[in-house]
Amino acid sequence: GAGVSQTPSNKVTEKGKYVELRCDPISGHTALYWYRQSLGQGPEFLIYFQGTGAADDSGLPNDRFFAVRPEGSVSTLKIQRTERGDSAVYLCASSPLLAGGRRNEQFFGPGTRLTVL
Amino acid sequence: QKEVEQDPGPLSVPEGAIVSLNCTYSNSAFQYFMWYRQYSRKGPELLMYTYSSGNKEDGRFTAQVDKSSKYISLFIRDSQPSDSATYLCAMSAEDSNYQLIWGAGTKLIIKP
Repeated sequence: GAGVSQTPSNKVTEKGKYVELRCDPISGHTALYWYRQSLGQGPEFLIYFQGTGAADDSGLPNDRFFAVRPEGSVSTLKIQRTERGDSAVYLCASSPLLAGGRRNEQFFGPGTRLTVL
Repeated sequence: QKEVEQDPGPLSVPEGAIVSLNCTYSNSAFQYFMWYRQYSRKGPELLMYTYSSGNKEDGRFTAQVDKSSKYISLFIRDSQPSDSATYLCAMSAEDSNYQLIWGAGTKLIIKP
C-alpha cells in the first residue's frame, strides 16, 4: 500500500505570505502528526490528531500556525504571515493504534521543504 | 542540556565493518526506544522499536537499551554503502507515548 504522501515537496515563499502544506496519511491510520525538522536536528513535534480533532497542539510555536483534519484523513498545516525562521522541512507522520493504546510506531512522509525568502 | 543527546558525526567506516551508534538520555520516564534511518531529502524510516531494557535483533541490526545507564545503542553488522544515511534515535514515555523525543541524528558514511 501507499505510504504517507506530502505535497508540495518544495515550497518557496516570501516573508509575510500564507502557505498550506498537505499530508495524506496511510489508509486506516487514525493518528496523524506534524513535525518540523531544521538542518542537522531531529524532528520537533508540532501537533497530533486523533481522528478529526487535535489531541495535542502544544508544539505549535505560535498562533501563526494552525492545522486541520476535517474528515479524519488528509491534514493541512497552515502558516500565516510566514517568517524566515519558519524555513525548515515539515514532516507528516501517521500511526496505527497498537496494543495498550500505543501510538509511537510512526511512519513518515518525505516532507515539504519550506523556504521563506 | 537536551533530553536526548546523540553525536552528530560524521562517522566514516569501511564496508563490512560493525557500526555502533549511541544515544544518551536524561528522562527516566522514557520506556519506548526507536531507531530511524533518514536518507538525504527523505523522511525518517523506522528501523527498530524496543520497549524497556534489553536487546532486539532484526537481520544485520541489533538494538540495545540499558535503562540503568540511560544509554541506547544500534549495531549494524556487515555494513554496506547503502547503509550510509543519518540515524536518529527517538524515545517516548508511557503516558504520552505518541510524543517522540528525538536525538539530532548521527551521519554515517560507509566507504566501499
